[in-house]
Amino acid sequence: GQQVMQIPQYQHVQEGEDFTTYCNSSTTLSNIQWYKQRPGGHPVFLIQLVKSGEVKKQKRLTFQFGEAKKNSSLHITATQTTDVGTYFCAGLTGYQKVTFGTGTKLQVIP
Amino acid sequence: NAGVTQTPKFRVLKTGQSMTLLCAQDMNHEYMYWYRQDPGMGLRLIHYSVGEGTTAKGEVPDGYNVSRLKKQNFLLGLESAAPSQTSVYFCASWTSGRETYEQYFGPGTRLTVT
Repeated sequence: GQQVMQIPQYQHVQEGEDFTTYCNSSTTLSNIQWYKQRPGGHPVFLIQLVKSGEVKKQKRLTFQFGEAKKNSSLHITATQTTDVGTYFCAGLTGYQKVTFGTGTKLQVIP
Repeated sequence: NAGVTQTPKFRVLKTGQSMTLLCAQDMNHEYMYWYRQDPGMGLRLIHYSVGEGTTAKGEVPDGYNVSRLKKQNFLLGLESAAPSQTSVYFCASWTSGRETYEQYFGPGTRLTVT
């Protein structure tokens, strides 16, 4: 079945360092979304990418969708303690069905 | 707007007991989903519904049943709870007709089966 993997599973960074998480799908995706989940909270939508090679930015966050639409990345520049949480990618697979990646848990050390 | 709400927030069950988790949304969304979240495994889809009166199986449906009798409510049932069903359960909803497939999540239900 459809698989969406993320690496790394965990990442500890010093505040101010950059962070990147990678998402890889076993099949081509029509679109990909990114969500952030704070500790003890629920996932919150960040962004959606649709086009091959698309790049979108939200302040210090840069999202990229691969040319083959099977992979994506999220890069955070100069991390802050407010960036702590787990970041999930999610791909639309099948009719109105979304498969979430395994997530990357980010810890920022002040 | 309350968004997506879930009842209860916490529950402890003994093996073999049954329970129903309730998800309610006030955004008139067509699509509703039940996920479970376990450490290191992300969010896995249990069942989902694309409209009132419809349900479909997700990735991990065994041991669960669902019903969507009203558009705003999506119920998840555990007929005979097992320790393997200890997890955090999230409900989510979204609507079609928009370019963005943004799912709105409820706060979650923490279930422990002993």
